[in-house]
Amino acid sequence: SQQGEEDPQALSIQEGENATMNCSYKTSINNLQWYRQNSGRGLVHLILIRSNEREKHSGRLRVTLDTSKKSSSLLITASRAADTASYFCAYNTNAGKSTFGDGTTLTVKP
Amino acid sequence: NAGVMQNPRHLVRRRGQEARLRCSPMKGHSHVYWYRQLPEEGLKFMVYLQKENIIDESGMPKERFSAEFPKEGPSILRIQQVVRGDSAAYFCASSPSRGEYNEQFFGPGTRLTVL
Repeated sequence: SQQGEEDPQALSIQEGENATMNCSYKTSINNLQWYRQNSGRGLVHLILIRSNEREKHSGRLRVTLDTSKKSSSLLITASRAADTASYFCAYNTNAGKSTFGDGTTLTVKP
Repeated sequence: NAGVMQNPRHLVRRRGQEARLRCSPMKGHSHVYWYRQLPEEGLKFMVYLQKENIIDESGMPKERFSAEFPKEGPSILRIQQVVRGDSAAYFCASSPSRGEYNEQFFGPGTRLTVL
């Protein structure tokens, strides 16, 4: 399967702690994107990282990409209860379509 | 610049009926992608279209499902003779190109419930 894989499947932390989610894939990619999805809602685009980039930041979010290991990580620092959601990685190849992982469900307890 | 529009947002159908889902891409985007999300799962690719052409339908079920993106108007995902297993959220995304660094912009989704 070419599907991305994410771990952990579920993560529960206290407000103020950091949350790290990982994503692995099996093919050469053009870019990788991270999305957030609140229960029953649409996707919110968080960060796009290109294959020639190693790290990107956006506010409390930090994404890394290691193309040699075919893996990416999303770090959320100083988490808040409002960060509770499912987080998905999706990678793009020359084929155009996005391939999604099954997501990490993050619960941030107040 | 309006984002990707999908309608309806919620659709209820009885088994055997037809479901038609519409997607209007962002202005200037000629590439459209449809994805399906079953409960508690990630999005699964269904079909990739450009204006008047199907580029990749490798994720589309062989029967009952069809998609089009006409020269004028929205892209349509059509499901004939719906079954309960078709109940899911269907997301559309668009991009301006298929280029190396294309970013896909997602619509809010259509939630299909089959009774």
